[in-house]
Amino acid sequence: QSVLTQPPSVSGAPGQRVTISCTGSSSNIGAGFDVHWYQQLPGTAPKLLIYGNSNRPSGVPDRFSGSKSGTSASLAISGLQAEDEADFYCQSYDSSLSGSYVFGTGTKVTVL
Amino acid sequence: QVQLVQSGAEVKKPGASVKVSCKASGYTFSSYAIQWVRQAPGQRLEWMGWINTGNGNTKYSQKFQGRVTITRDTSASTAYMELSSLRSEDTAMYYCARGGSTTGFDPWGQGTLVTVSS
Repeated sequence: QSVLTQPPSVSGAPGQRVTISCTGSSSNIGAGFDVHWYQQLPGTAPKLLIYGNSNRPSGVPDRFSGSKSGTSASLAISGLQAEDEADFYCQSYDSSLSGSYVFGTGTKVTVL
Repeated sequence: QVQLVQSGAEVKKPGASVKVSCKASGYTFSSYAIQWVRQAPGQRLEWMGWINTGNGNTKYSQKFQGRVTITRDTSASTAYMELSSLRSEDTAMYYCARGGSTTGFDPWGQGTLVTVSS
């Protein structure tokens, strides 16, 4: 099963900017499929943070931004806050193996 | 508001089956797909399959093909995920979510913990 590769962890001080990469392949991100990002706070269900590569659902602060280029995507968090400490996952669709949704390996964001 | 509410925690023995429900409210059930995703303890999210709630068509991850069955009852605005031949590695939190490839998955149910233990 295809997966999207993310760094296991990133950290930053309050107020700093951090970025999380999401590396895919020609059968998912590189094929033009949208990338979505989710935030999972400890002990809770994932929450949609970014959809369609760079769009924020209503209620998501503009500190969170997404981008996509080639076979990769990125999530940026600016003005890092203590409440941003969570696990983050990217997600896309993969056209191999008769088609399936794939998630990233996940990134733990730690606020120092 | 749009909401997905899942059934409660389950404890099953190896070899048994489990059926988890996901009741939708706040929108037209048959207008959006329902996805099923699981997360083993300390592990990443893993997509299992989805159902077109309008016509009942399904698509499953190859990993679970033959063991998972997703159905829906439009009159009850509820989707179901049944996993058979359970083994200890199936111990996980199981989530349902609304959505698809262009919208992302939103919202998610609260999750149902399935524990497989002898």
